[in-house]
Amino acid sequence: QQQVKQSPQSLIVQKGGISIINCAYENTAFDYFPWYQQFPGKGPALLIAIRPDVSEKKEGRFTISFNKSAKQFSLHIMDSQPGDSATYFCAATIGGYGQNFVFGPGTRLSVLP
Amino acid sequence: ETGVTQSPTHLIKTRGQQVTLRCSSQSGHNTVSWYQQALGQGPQFIFQYYREEENGRGNFPPRFSGLQFPNYSSELNVNALELDDSALYLCASSLEGQGAETQYFGPGTRLLVL
Repeated sequence: QQQVKQSPQSLIVQKGGISIINCAYENTAFDYFPWYQQFPGKGPALLIAIRPDVSEKKEGRFTISFNKSAKQFSLHIMDSQPGDSATYFCAATIGGYGQNFVFGPGTRLSVLP
Repeated sequence: ETGVTQSPTHLIKTRGQQVTLRCSSQSGHNTVSWYQQALGQGPQFIFQYYREEENGRGNFPPRFSGLQFPNYSSELNVNALELDDSALYLCASSLEGQGAETQYFGPGTRLLVL
């Protein structure tokens, strides 16, 4: 119930293309769904997040789509750039932090120039 | 940069030894969480400290312990190291009550247990 599943494990996209990463959860008590970006040698950095009362949130080239009934959410990166090459983690939490903070296994994105 | 620093950056220990990892929180943040990130995996929550008290713990044995100091810096101690403890250890600081929106991660300490 505490698991967050993430796919694909790795993704290769051409520059300018759309990168899509999908996540699914079981625990309906989760109320905050952040996405993190991690570059090699760095800690994860918060990219964008959504709460279940909205179906979509957009910030620049990054969009989260949220399907509450299907218990799924996804990250879309429009106009992908080589600088977007990193590992992306979805996460879910109850109340925002603490022992209820669960990360997906990650997706390694490579954007080819 | 997030303002969260960790030391050391890398560490090699042998099985059975003890290790102490350190974290300096972002200025003003009063809550610190520690995570273990195995190679190719997402971070796993170890525990959280608020006002120098443990405030939540994940599925980790008691040989993982921590401290938070009045200046909000923090330590993670691991006793009786096992090979499976090899991982990147991340600390994250945040403001109590603000949650993940204010959670900033440090760069991590990479621990190798031989």
